[in-house]
Amino acid sequence: QKEVEQNSGPLSVPEGAIASLNCTYSDRGSQSFFWYRQYSGKSPELIMFIYSNGDKEDGRFTAQLNKASQYVSLLIRDSQPSDSATYLCAVTGGGADGLTFGKGTHLIIQP
Amino acid sequence: AAGVIQSPRHLIKEKRETATLKCYPIPRHDTVYWYQQGPGQDPQFLISFYEKMQSDKGSIPDRFSAQQFSDYHSELNMSSLELGDSALYFCASSLGPSGEETQYFGPGTRLLVL
Repeated sequence: QKEVEQNSGPLSVPEGAIASLNCTYSDRGSQSFFWYRQYSGKSPELIMFIYSNGDKEDGRFTAQLNKASQYVSLLIRDSQPSDSATYLCAVTGGGADGLTFGKGTHLIIQP
Repeated sequence: AAGVIQSPRHLIKEKRETATLKCYPIPRHDTVYWYQQGPGQDPQFLISFYEKMQSDKGSIPDRFSAQQFSDYHSELNMSSLELGDSALYFCASSLGPSGEETQYFGPGTRLLVL
């Protein structure tokens, strides 16, 4: 049974600060790792994807992957109120495999 | 840029009725995925298709079936609907195993079973 664990929060962060979101996964065969943002009642929106160990930066977002520790994280710099949402960590074995999602972390950016 | 299209966006059905959801992937994408998201839950993977063949299977009930057509669009058929089938149904598409595997989600179909 593939499992993805996230702290459900809510995680409250002041505007302009760094938000740190964490995720662990159980399947060592997982190949691809994704962070999606989801607003209530809307579809998941891709924020970042990462395939290799290390850091990957895209604008205010940095994803970190450590396959040995089975750990994925997302850092959001200069947090904005519009970043307030649920952040879903998702993993897959690759190919056309379905995503296994964590239950999401509810992030609140306080103005 | 073109996105995944789903229809209908909203659907109300009675128990024991049938429903068909449609998904049109992003142009050039050859792989489609179906997910079910209940209230307050994370999306649960149902099934995926690559080049019109079933690729991966998740927690799809036997009452549900799906297929992918020659133009790559996909349909999810749901029969003998139950109250518990009320949920958001998302379709996602990607370039498939030989290309970028990132899945992009459509806006979803909200199904309400009364």
